[in-house]
Amino acid sequence: QKEVEQNSGPLSVPEGAIASLNCTYSDRVSQSFFWYRQYSGKSPELIMSIYSNGDKEDGRFTAQLNKASQYVSLLIRDSQPSDSATYLCAVRVVANFGNEKLTFGTGTRLTIIP
Amino acid sequence: GAVVSQHPSWVICKSGTSVKIECRSLDFQATTMFWYRQFPKQSLMLMATSNEGSKATYEQGVEKDKFLINHASLTLSTLTVTSAHPEDSSFYICSASGRGFGANVLTFGAGSRLTVL
Repeated sequence: QKEVEQNSGPLSVPEGAIASLNCTYSDRVSQSFFWYRQYSGKSPELIMSIYSNGDKEDGRFTAQLNKASQYVSLLIRDSQPSDSATYLCAVRVVANFGNEKLTFGTGTRLTIIP
Repeated sequence: GAVVSQHPSWVICKSGTSVKIECRSLDFQATTMFWYRQFPKQSLMLMATSNEGSKATYEQGVEKDKFLINHASLTLSTLTVTSAHPEDSSFYICSASGRGFGANVLTFGAGSRLTVL
């Protein structure tokens, strides 16, 4: 089982609708979760971080975390064409020798249709 | 905000040559640097983690003698791809975290696209 799993998509959503992106992770002790957006040919940029169960809202973005189900999601309200990108879910894990690292999912490609 | 400058942004080299990629933290002390590699349509794969002044910790399957990482100062880390081959062609991205932040707060460089002919 992969450490972080996402549907690769593509996910197509009409402009103005809600885009829903999902992610599951395997390490039960993980405490920190992140959503990154990556445009083609660019490096990732952080959108949201979430550490506690429940919802966290920031503008048009809402991250949801359910540690019991090992599930984290990202909702994008009022989707805009500029939201078209690949969205990467990342989970912080403690690796060997106490090093911390981010493990990324394969990403979901989102396309907003005007 | 925190900025990481990575260069070159793209490089083309001949098979068998070595290529060095630099990452500099411009306004903070990067105690930990993470080096990732991303093949087309795939996710970021961590190659190695380096702490300033220490040897890098490589992920399983990453050849430490081929991908040399140096993190001699708190503002500079380098990745050298030695004897590059076409299969090493990829997008290499560094990310840095500052003192006390661990992996929670990462600043990514812009990435370096390597093409080996």
